Amino acid sequence: DVKVTQSSRYLVKRTGEKVFLECVQDMDHENMFWYRQDPGLGLRLIYFSYDVKMKEKGDIPEGYSVSREKKERFSLILESASTNQTSMYLCASSLAPGSGNTIYFGEGSWLTVV
Amino acid sequence: KNQVEQSPQSLIILEGKNCTLQCNYTVSPFSNLRWYKQDTGRGPVSLTIMTFSENTKSNGRYTATLDADTKQSSLHITASQLSDSASYICVVSPYNNNDMRFGAGTRLTVKP
Repeated sequence: DVKVTQSSRYLVKRTGEKVFLECVQDMDHENMFWYRQDPGLGLRLIYFSYDVKMKEKGDIPEGYSVSREKKERFSLILESASTNQTSMYLCASSLAPGSGNTIYFGEGSWLTVV
Repeated sequence: KNQVEQSPQSLIILEGKNCTLQCNYTVSPFSNLRWYKQDTGRGPVSLTIMTFSENTKSNGRYTATLDADTKQSSLHITASQLSDSASYICVVSPYNNNDMRFGAGTRLTVKP
């Protein structure tokens, strides 16, 4: 069974803290993604990576960075958390671009910044 | 303005009834359209994927249709069950998976 695992389901952090959200996939997928999901809005892409050490900015990269040192792991970093980054964060992975490739999502990480 | 619009925002139906969810998009050129189901507090799970040449795709009681000319898709749920209560998200890709556009979702509640 395919698996995208987000290590932290619920986090509460203080403003200004550095936050790491970890994501691991066991499907040998090239592509990995980080999205945030807010009520009333569609998922918005923060960053994606199409290979180890490669990354591309998505629609809302400000305030975030990412790291992909190994193919199976994609980390989202909030250098200095702010209250407007309170959200649900979803990691996803897929094979290399192709119209028939399924995107697999993790269970989500709920982050509250106080 | 979002390139993928879903309607209605929310819907309540009785168990056993059918329902249809709508997705209109302006994404162009179009590569594929997906429907996802997202249970509360969980990640989205894929239901169907359709390319521009496909008109319909079924997955059990879920049937998705696509009209690429009018840029509309619908998801029809037959004989609804309580477990169908979830958000249903329409996702449209212009070229590849890296540029997906997400709708805000339709929140479906199935009541006994």
